[in-house]
Amino acid sequence: GAGVSQSPRYKVAKRGQDVALRCDPISGHVSLFWYQQALGQGPEFLTYFQNEAQLDKSGLPSDRFFAERPEGSVSTLKIQRTQQEDSAVYLCASSLGTFQETQYFGPGTRLLVL
Amino acid sequence: AQTVTQSQPEMSVQEAETVTLSCTYDTSENNYYLFWYKQPPSRQMILVIRQEAYKQQNATENRFSVNFQKAAKSFSLKISDSQLGDTAMYFCAQTSGSRLTFGEGTQLTVNP
Repeated sequence: GAGVSQSPRYKVAKRGQDVALRCDPISGHVSLFWYQQALGQGPEFLTYFQNEAQLDKSGLPSDRFFAERPEGSVSTLKIQRTQQEDSAVYLCASSLGTFQETQYFGPGTRLLVL
Repeated sequence: AQTVTQSQPEMSVQEAETVTLSCTYDTSENNYYLFWYKQPPSRQMILVIRQEAYKQQNATENRFSVNFQKAAKSFSLKISDSQLGDTAMYFCAQTSGSRLTFGEGTQLTVNP
């Protein structure tokens, strides 16, 4: 079946603009994760959903970052008033179950803030 | 907090040879999982292999195998018969509750 998809693949924003990044998880996957990957580094956890419930948002770097998954499938990561340090690749992953299951990743959205 | 350390930023290997990538981790949990993911230049993170901490037997997937030393908190990846398509960044990761904690990665280059 189809894997995790993300859109857009690339996004250029001017500093101060708001952006919205979309993730379509694998159909039927309960858990959804967002990670931020800076250039040359490993991904870092941002937030976690179990169905529509956001169970962990401890990795969100500031209150400018907001994520939602209103119907328990598609998720959107929104960044308000973007800053240059927000430039990174944003990875979405999903897993079938709810605890320590294998996560399957999307291709990522590369965000460049000028 | 859990940490994952990959001490080899870059490695290279000749095609058809064997290479081992190192990973150590630190956790106070008893039940956890360890993973190796591969990230080619296309940036899609692909699962290579998974190990359950409660299993003593080392996981194997075709040319990929791990050496899991629980007491030493070591989890190395061995790639046999290296192929050009194995060229990628390799990340070691550990479950921390539901989230994954990643190492900084090892860039592997397979030379023809």
